[in-house]
Amino acid sequence: GAVVSQHPSRVICKSGTSVKIECRSLDFQATTMFWYRQFPKQSLMLMATSNEGSKATYEQGVEKDKFLINHASLTLSTLTVTSAHPEDSSFYICSAMGSTDTQYFGPGTRLTVL
Amino acid sequence: GENVEQHPSTLSVQEGDSAVIKCTYSDSASNYFPWYKQELGKGPQLIIDIRSNVGEKKDQRIAVTLNKTAKHFSLHITETQPEDSAVYFCAASIRRDDKIIFGKGTRLHILP
Repeated sequence: GAVVSQHPSRVICKSGTSVKIECRSLDFQATTMFWYRQFPKQSLMLMATSNEGSKATYEQGVEKDKFLINHASLTLSTLTVTSAHPEDSSFYICSAMGSTDTQYFGPGTRLTVL
Repeated sequence: GENVEQHPSTLSVQEGDSAVIKCTYSDSASNYFPWYKQELGKGPQLIIDIRSNVGEKKDQRIAVTLNKTAKHFSLHITETQPEDSAVYFCAASIRRDDKIIFGKGTRLHILP
């Protein structure tokens, strides 16, 4: 089946710094990638949808200047959390969709902001 | 927008028994209903999905039923095994290539 990877799997950073998370589709080309955030024991909340080569579409309440998304190629999307604060600590999950129109999820990145 | 309700939030069943998780959705335009299994510290894995032109779909021990008139769909797991213990999410989407709205999840415990 299709494989999606995320890097890093865990990251700890100091408040005020920026963190970049990568999402890669390893064996297929992803025309669309989605970024989700999941707090402990809660469901996945969609943050934004990104299509290769165009600007991301953000969900209501998600600050586009704080969560920068780049989808520069058909196999890579990045999420940068700028000026991270403790309330940004969460499990960030991406999904990628190719020609089969099925979303395949990555393993997630646990971000801890001290 | 779409709202997906999922019940129960926690479910414990004896190994070998069946487990049923139920979901309702609000947007009658929703047409695609995937189910995901998420193990601790991992991303969700698609286990089965159904489209609105189908009432039931089965894959080995897993089955999903859809009642589009009542706007509810259910996941059935038969002959449960310890490895079925996880959090299960239902979801709804207008199309397979559209954004997915998740339910709040059901934590399934398989008791020995």
